[in-house]
Amino acid sequence: EIVLTQSPGTLSLSPGERATLSCRASQSVSSSYLAWYQHKPGQAPRLLIYGASSRATGIPDRFSGSGSGTDFTLTISRLEPEDFAVYYCQQYGSSQFTFGPGTKVDIK
Amino acid sequence: QLQLQESGPGLVKPSETLSLTCTVSGGSISSGSYYWGWIRQPPGKGLEWIGSIYYSGSTYYNPSLKSRVTISVDTSKNQFSLRLNSVTAADTAVYYCARHGGSWYSFDYWGLGTLVTVSS
Repeated sequence: EIVLTQSPGTLSLSPGERATLSCRASQSVSSSYLAWYQHKPGQAPRLLIYGASSRATGIPDRFSGSGSGTDFTLTISRLEPEDFAVYYCQQYGSSQFTFGPGTKVDIK
Repeated sequence: QLQLQESGPGLVKPSETLSLTCTVSGGSISSGSYYWGWIRQPPGKGLEWIGSIYYSGSTYYNPSLKSRVTISVDTSKNQFSLRLNSVTAADTAVYYCARHGGSWYSFDYWGLGTLVTVSS
């Protein structure tokens, strides 16, 4: 099983600031199978990025994904009030999905 | 617009079987391009994939849950279902159904989730 580790656990920032979230895998992940989600309390998770760097339908261009191998990054260029949430990375490999533990982005 | 909705009992007794159904609307579950899956989130914890099914009935499961899980599909009703047997308090969670592609393997449509509590 590929284990995903996310850092930091919590990121305290102000609206307008840049957020950089990290996702590290215990072994190499195909870039095609790395995704990022935004999750707010009481809502369904929302797909932001698939294939490590492709934005899902309707996702603003302030969200971007990058990385390969074992190190992946989600960047939010300028935080909007609605962006404060928990962010999860997810990978698919060896016929199973795993999620990272999440990074909470909260208001400073 | 594709919509998924989970339904089933919100309370299950320990050692019994948890049963949930996901109803898909706004699209066909028989679309050949997609799989249908279950994911859960225990209180205060992260997301855990349970398993997925193709409309043909082909399934694959999280190895850690495989011995207790059955996912089935009913194309005539545009639904797929989850059964998790021998539940314990550790199975208390919000259960989500979701769709994922067979190319990118990411979950693009989700239900709102349903809380299932395991308690006597």
